[in-house]
Amino acid sequence: EIVLTQSPATLSLSPGERATLSCGASQSVSSSYLAWYQQKPGLAPRLLIYDASSRATGIPDRFSGSGSGTDFTLTISRLEPEDFAVYYCQQYGSSPPLGTLTFGGGTKVEIK
Amino acid sequence: EVQLVESGGGLVQPGGSLRLSCAASGFTFSSYAMSWVRQAPGKGLEWVSAISGSGGSTYYADSVKGRFTISRDNSKNTLYLQMNSLRAEDTAVYYCAKQPDPLRAVAGDAFDIWGQGTMVTVSS
Repeated sequence: EIVLTQSPATLSLSPGERATLSCGASQSVSSSYLAWYQQKPGLAPRLLIYDASSRATGIPDRFSGSGSGTDFTLTISRLEPEDFAVYYCQQYGSSPPLGTLTFGGGTKVEIK
Repeated sequence: EVQLVESGGGLVQPGGSLRLSCAASGFTFSSYAMSWVRQAPGKGLEWVSAISGSGGSTYYADSVKGRFTISRDNSKNTLYLQMNSLRAEDTAVYYCAKQPDPLRAVAGDAFDIWGQGTMVTVSS
């Protein structure tokens, strides 16, 4: 099982600032099959980035993803008030039947 | 509008059973693999189970293997999760989720559409 470790656990920033979130994998993620989700309290996760760097439909271009192998990054270029939320990474490169889908523990982006 | 709506959650005693449903609309349901993902209160996300578009392939997390069964009825555009021998650690919000690419392997993709979730509480 690929373990995903997200850092930092909490990021305290002000609107307009740049946010950099990290996701480290215990093994190389095949084909950069890594996604990022945003989740707000009481709501379902929303897909932001798939295949490490492709933005999902309707996602603003202030969100960008990068990385390969074991190190991935989600960058929010300028934080808007609605961006304060919890962010999760997910790998799907090691999937059933030989592996399992896994998520990181999350990074909370809070208002400073 | 593409939509997933879960139902069937509730309070159940340890050892009990529950069946969750997920009604899909706005897309060709039978073309897409689907999954169940859960989130314990205050915790992160955990993939539970996946099924191919035809229903012919199913996969489970080790934590639920042998206790949970995923299925689908493409004539009713509905996904199911039969949960037996429930434990306290199964307490969570259960989401159904759709894979975006019909050509990718089952559970080998991200999830582009999620339902609103249904709460399952296992307690005596």
